[in-house]
Amino acid sequence: GAGVSQSPRYKVAKRGQDVALRCDPISGHVSLFWYQQALGQGPEFLTYFQNEAQLDKSGLPSDRFFAERPEGSVSTLKIQRTQQEDSAVYLCASSPVLPIYNEQFFGPGTRLTVL
Amino acid sequence: DAKTTQPTSMDCAEGRAANLPCNHSTISGNEYVYWYRQIHSQGPQYIIHGLKNNETNEMASLIITEDRKSSTLILPHATLRDTAVYYCIVRVGMYGGATNKLIFGTGTLLAVQP
Repeated sequence: GAGVSQSPRYKVAKRGQDVALRCDPISGHVSLFWYQQALGQGPEFLTYFQNEAQLDKSGLPSDRFFAERPEGSVSTLKIQRTQQEDSAVYLCASSPVLPIYNEQFFGPGTRLTVL
Repeated sequence: DAKTTQPTSMDCAEGRAANLPCNHSTISGNEYVYWYRQIHSQGPQYIIHGLKNNETNEMASLIITEDRKSSTLILPHATLRDTAVYYCIVRVGMYGGATNKLIFGTGTLLAVQP
């Protein structure tokens, strides 16, 4: 079946522009995560949804970052007034039911470059 | 969640077993050991997890020491496609709205050589 998909795969933005990154999780997956991966580093947690509820946003680096999942399926990560330090790969992962023991399924990521 | 320590990089000959170590000396009794890998330009992929018993699946084996302070991921017959960064992650599984986020370190870059 289809895995997690993300779009666009690549995004170039000028500093100060707003961007929106989309994640389509595996159908029926309750849990959805966003991670940020800087070059040469492991992914870092940004935020977590259970259905449409955003239960943890402790990893969002600033109030310029905003995530939503209004109908409990597709999620959008929005970054306002992008800065060069926002350049990274943004990964989305989903998991069925409660991710206590279950694996997280990752998408291919969106590579954001801020000029 | 407990911190993990892994070598930065390792080499392995194609067809041989790859043994990737991980130290997690501060692991708590209710924390699981997870392994993920990330092939270049792809998202991380789950490999295996365990609590205290050794585990095996179609991808790998996980050996956890009796004191649970360290573990080893074993790829029994490494292929070129196993070249990736391997992450050892320790986390608690919780119920009821807890995040269960994964905390990645920098992992081990395994290079399988032909």
